[in-house]
Amino acid sequence: AQSVTQLDSHVSVSEGTPVLLRCNYSSSYSPSLFWYVQHPNKGLQLLLKYTSAATLVKGINGFEAEFKKSETSFHLTKPSAHMSDAAEYFCVVNSGAGSYQLTFGKGTKLSVIP
Amino acid sequence: DADVTQTPRNRITKTGKRIMLECSQTKGHDRMYWYRQDPGLGLRLIYYSFDVKDINKGEISDGYSVSRQAQAKFSLSLESAIPNQTALYFCATSDSDRGYEQYFGPGTRLTVT
Repeated sequence: AQSVTQLDSHVSVSEGTPVLLRCNYSSSYSPSLFWYVQHPNKGLQLLLKYTSAATLVKGINGFEAEFKKSETSFHLTKPSAHMSDAAEYFCVVNSGAGSYQLTFGKGTKLSVIP
Repeated sequence: DADVTQTPRNRITKTGKRIMLECSQTKGHDRMYWYRQDPGLGLRLIYYSFDVKDINKGEISDGYSVSRQAQAKFSLSLESAIPNQTALYFCATSDSDRGYEQYFGPGTRLTVT
């Protein structure tokens, strides 16, 4: 069984300040983990992925995430928020072991204040 | 990303009507999926297909049916729409070697009145 918990439903930051979106997971196997972003009235875009290689993963638009097995966490960060980062972000876990099954978190809505 | 397209993008229909949502992909992937998104619930899997002859129910398949007309086409039908099927519907695709890495279409916003 696998599950994912996004610890904040809504995060608000000022433009130019750091972004931290928190995600904890559970999985019976060595998981693959993803962050997707959904801009208003848009589809889901893959931001970054962890698939058992380097634990610090860099994605698009300056985002990165660190896989911490001991803490079962995969938090998403960005050093400096931009207005265009305002969107909803989903943490997603796959149990690995050849599984297709993705389990989505409930999402974190990021607001960026000018 | 135009690799996965969905039609229509928006649809309003009445309770009891039959409606079909269509998905096409040019990524050459053999696996296709239908999800629905409800506010505050993330995405939940409705049906998935590993190839044209392999279709499986997902977490919330009741009230839905699917058809895989070709490797590139996967449609979702609501036989008799009801208001609680109002949601945003996403189609996704993946390669069989990397089933966990799924690529999503732009979504179809369905409203059932």
